[in-house]
Amino acid sequence: IQLTQSPSSLSASVGDRVTITCRASQGISSYLAWYQQKPGKAPKLLIYAASTLQSGVPSRFSGSGSGTDFTLTISSLQPEDFATYYCQQLNSYPPWTFGQGTKVEIK
Amino acid sequence: QVQLVQSGAEVKKPGSSVKVSCKASGGTFSSYAISWVRQAPGQGLEWMGRIIPILGIANYAQKFQGRVTITADKSTSTAYMELSSLRSEDTAVYYCATVSGSGSYAGWFDPWGQGTLVTVSS
Repeated sequence: IQLTQSPSSLSASVGDRVTITCRASQGISSYLAWYQQKPGKAPKLLIYAASTLQSGVPSRFSGSGSGTDFTLTISSLQPEDFATYYCQQLNSYPPWTFGQGTKVEIK
Repeated sequence: QVQLVQSGAEVKKPGSSVKVSCKASGGTFSSYAISWVRQAPGQGLEWMGRIIPILGIANYAQKFQGRVTITADKSTSTAYMELSSLRSEDTAVYYCATVSGSGSYAGWFDPWGQGTLVTVSS
């Protein structure tokens, strides 16, 4: 199962609403996770089962979608949210696959 | 709460092998699977393989079949990833991660180890 994220990168300002899309090559129901990765750090789980927020993750993060199209939304971008975001399919494993990543940069 | 601590950075010659460890604390080691993921400089995440310690069963990504071996020592709650026939393209940060969840929804990776940089250079 291939995952395609868009855009590959984006520039946004603090307070902006940001949306990242992940498209699967075949239907995966709601079996999708999202991660945040900051430079030099391990990825951090944000969302699993497409829309379930991991404990401790701020509520400005949300996930939606099912089937082949998914979105990660940051409702009001904060300085600490500038990072790279990855989606991961959980429908059929192994193998696990990740999207290619979306880098969120400061405008 | 499970925590994963990996071994330190390695510098290896082309053609050699590297073995990275991932020690788990908290939780019950045998009750969850451990996956290995690598990230080349400036690149994305690439799944390499996983082991289910309680069963001693490992699965590998096709790309790494024959070059990677993942093992687990239940007595020390440590997983290992050994990659052989190293080449420059294997220079990357290697992460271990716990495969989490149960029932219908499972398979996400949380938590992750801190990562181990492996540099392959002559």
